[in-house]
Amino acid sequence: GESVGLHLPTLSVQEGDNSIINCAYSNSASDYFIWYKQESGKGPQFIIDIRSNMDKRQGQRVTVLLNKTVKHLSLQIAATQPGDSAVYFCAENNNNQGGKLIFGQGTELSVKP
Amino acid sequence: DAGITQSPRYKITETGRQVTLMCHQTWSHSYMFWYRQDLGHGLRLIYYSAAADITDKGEVPDGYVVSRSKTENFPLTLESATRSQTSVYFCASRVGERASPLHFGNGTRLTVT
Repeated sequence: GESVGLHLPTLSVQEGDNSIINCAYSNSASDYFIWYKQESGKGPQFIIDIRSNMDKRQGQRVTVLLNKTVKHLSLQIAATQPGDSAVYFCAENNNNQGGKLIFGQGTELSVKP
Repeated sequence: DAGITQSPRYKITETGRQVTLMCHQTWSHSYMFWYRQDLGHGLRLIYYSAAADITDKGEVPDGYVVSRSKTENFPLTLESATRSQTSVYFCASRVGERASPLHFGNGTRLTVT
């Protein structure tokens, strides 16, 4: 989900379990969505994207689901590993803002061995 | 692959000094962006550029200047640094205007004393 104040939402999962990270986006005119992973001291790294004419897209161990009715995006990570521990951001591409990406606040994923 | 390179990785400067953060990409992407990342604010767009010699303001442009004389370089200058500009700065590039992911550098951590 989205953060409030200075603290990121945190999701803690056991190694091997599946993780689901959620994101609510703001604009019904947004037509393209991206998930990023950010590890400490590094820049955001592209994970997977989805266009608004799709409701599901799968990558390697990751799946993105898009529900345009409720403006909700989720990232599912299968068989979560310690290396998946990071902050995950969703971003939306709003056609009304010249194609600039708008980023969510992020969710911190912590994987327990 | 080189991708996007930012320099320096760390910089400490004094209030009132001018400082330039460098960004170089090897993909010949048309679009380049500068973001700052602060706890509680996520990633905020400072400036972006659609091509050489074309730049435009983002969400938080005050106190910053950019130029883009060559496609591969997009330097960000703080003309007179203030403590509120202490942040982590990320440069990113994108092949087109829409429906393609941003690729980020590893950031410059700037401290203004």
